[in-house]
Amino acid sequence: EPEVTQTPSHQVTQMGQEVILRCVPISNHLYFYWYRQILGQKVEFLVSFYNNEISEKSEIFDDQFSVERPDGSNFTLKIRSTKLEDSAMYFCASILDRVTNEKLFFGSGTQLSVL
Amino acid sequence: QKEVEQNSGPLSVPEGAIASLNCTYSDRVSQSFFWYRQYSGKSPELIMSIYSNGDKEDGRFTAQLNKASQYVSLLIRDSQPSDSATYLCAVIGGYQKVTFGTGTKLQVIP
Repeated sequence: EPEVTQTPSHQVTQMGQEVILRCVPISNHLYFYWYRQILGQKVEFLVSFYNNEISEKSEIFDDQFSVERPDGSNFTLKIRSTKLEDSAMYFCASILDRVTNEKLFFGSGTQLSVL
Repeated sequence: QKEVEQNSGPLSVPEGAIASLNCTYSDRVSQSFFWYRQYSGKSPELIMSIYSNGDKEDGRFTAQLNKASQYVSLLIRDSQPSDSATYLCAVIGGYQKVTFGTGTKLQVIP
């Protein structure tokens, strides 16, 4: 069964460093998302991406965050200068399309620890 | 104002009982509703989707939707200890944004 894959599964970084979280969405999916979940808290929307551009972003997704789809398969989330409060599980997700199938499929997540 | 609201629980039910999980949402234009199950430290897993008013059954799970009341629920029949998890209600509103509730923690007591 096709799945969303994320790498790495764990990332440890120093405060102020840049990190790139990588995702390979399901190959024929059209809509891509990043979510994060701070330990013990809700799954929070960060950004949605469609047709090579951001379609919506949350208040969390400030200038320190960016997303990119550099080729036909990868979808990345970059945090330019990490803060302690960026420590969370980051989930990538994708949807086939909005007309016939809106089911959101999640990757297994990247646990980011900022020290 | 919270967009998707759930009782955080924990909701404790004995094994074999029916677990009832509830969710309300604020965006009236929402058309698509989902229930996800999340085990501790794992990613959310889709278990049910519902798009129209009424009930939708899949095995031991029944999703119920009432758009007029902006209410969606999940019933789990014959609850098993393996059903113990956090259940997330998710709603798709405008701009393909999927919004999650805080989740309800379910504990099924053997």
